[in-house]
Amino acid sequence: GDSVTQTEGPVTVSESESLIINCTYSATSIAYPNLFWYVRYPGEGLQLLLKVITAGQKGSSRGFEATYNKETTSFHLQKASVQESDSAVYYCALAVSSNTNKVVFGTGTRLQVLP
Amino acid sequence: EAAVTQSPRNKVAVTGGKVTLSCNQTNNHNNMYWYRQDTGHGLRLIHYSYGAGSTEKGDIPDGYKASRPSQENFSLILELATPSQTSVYFCASGGARGPDGQLYFGEGSKLTVL
Repeated sequence: GDSVTQTEGPVTVSESESLIINCTYSATSIAYPNLFWYVRYPGEGLQLLLKVITAGQKGSSRGFEATYNKETTSFHLQKASVQESDSAVYYCALAVSSNTNKVVFGTGTRLQVLP
Repeated sequence: EAAVTQSPRNKVAVTGGKVTLSCNQTNNHNNMYWYRQDTGHGLRLIHYSYGAGSTEKGDIPDGYKASRPSQENFSLILELATPSQTSVYFCASGGARGPDGQLYFGEGSKLTVL
């Protein structure tokens, strides 16, 4: 079936260090799913961080980047220099069907950035 | 600003009791969703809806019912709550059917079943 696997947390990094959170997907119901990163900051609901709907393209937001790699079925989240305010839970997700608008989420990766 | 609001934000229920979680959206989206979030499982889809009057089973519908009386409102109903349903529940709305798939989430409802 359709699934998303991402880095198991928690991930702890120091401020100004680089970050990568791995995400790989399996999409059996659709050839080219839309890919997303959502983020949940403490005390808030989930919100979209970035999305890419075309294979080979890169999405970016708030200094984060992710490239849709169809060959490796990956959508890793990267940031060159994290800030303490980036501490949150990050979810990789894919939209499995353009007909139902159904979204499948990974298990989430908790990121803690130390000052 | 368009928003998704959930109520209650926190709920303590007893085993066997009835629980209703409510969700209201001002996004004018056709699709609405109920997910639960548990450590190690991420977000799992319980029920979703394409519009007023429609409800569809998600991946883990057992023990839950849903109701969509209007475009704006979507409720999740636990007729006989069990401790295994202790979780954080998220409501979301999404755009019309199409390839985008972006969801807009509420802030979550924490349910504890004793």
